[in-house]
Amino acid sequence: QVQLVQSGAEVKKPGASVKVSCKASGDTFTGHYMHWVRQAPGQGLEWMGRIHPNIGDTNYGQKFQGRVTMTRDTSISTSYMELSSLRSDDTAVYYCARDGGYESYDYWGQGTLVTVSS
Amino acid sequence: DVVMTQSPLSLPVTLGQPASISCRSSQSLVHSDGNTYLSWFQQRPGQSPRRLIYKVSNRDSGVPDRFSGSGSGTDFTLKISRVEAEDVGVYYCMQGTHGWTFGQGTKVEIK
Repeated sequence: QVQLVQSGAEVKKPGASVKVSCKASGDTFTGHYMHWVRQAPGQGLEWMGRIHPNIGDTNYGQKFQGRVTMTRDTSISTSYMELSSLRSDDTAVYYCARDGGYESYDYWGQGTLVTVSS
Repeated sequence: DVVMTQSPLSLPVTLGQPASISCRSSQSLVHSDGNTYLSWFQQRPGQSPRRLIYKVSNRDSGVPDRFSGSGSGTDFTLKISRVEAEDVGVYYCMQGTHGWTFGQGTKVEIK
């Protein structure tokens, strides 16, 4: 059974950066794109970008270009999402989600709450 | 960017009655490979989203058969044949044909 386990909640000041991790288990880590999706409080889902763990290829949403960096460490089956120049409207739950095929997400992490506050 | 528009945004339903959610895309979701990458997700309160349907009408393993997806091109529908209490939550459509975009979500609640 595939599991995606994310790092714990973070509180950051405006202008800072945050790095969220997502550790995969139960299947071949390098075989599937890992996407990142966020959800502001009481709001809907927003796609941020994706990374292919094997080749490191990334695609970022236009809204996040220049502020987001997705990386991975294949030795520990972990993907990372770093968001810089944080603003209060970056306060959200950040999810990793695996694309198991069909350009869709068969497994999701439990979410990481990032709070940006002075 | 492809815009996904769901309706209604709020859906009060009676237990045991059917429910239907519409999802429309701003352009056709037929991919150049012939597939239509339209999925449906359920998000129960306090939980991560869970996929119910992929490629328009394919139900995920473990998803009750009261959930069904249909549609083509730009118009898609998620139907629940008989709503149960555990179906309360927010439902999102998502397209993966032209990048990845979610609908605004439809909140299903019991009357």
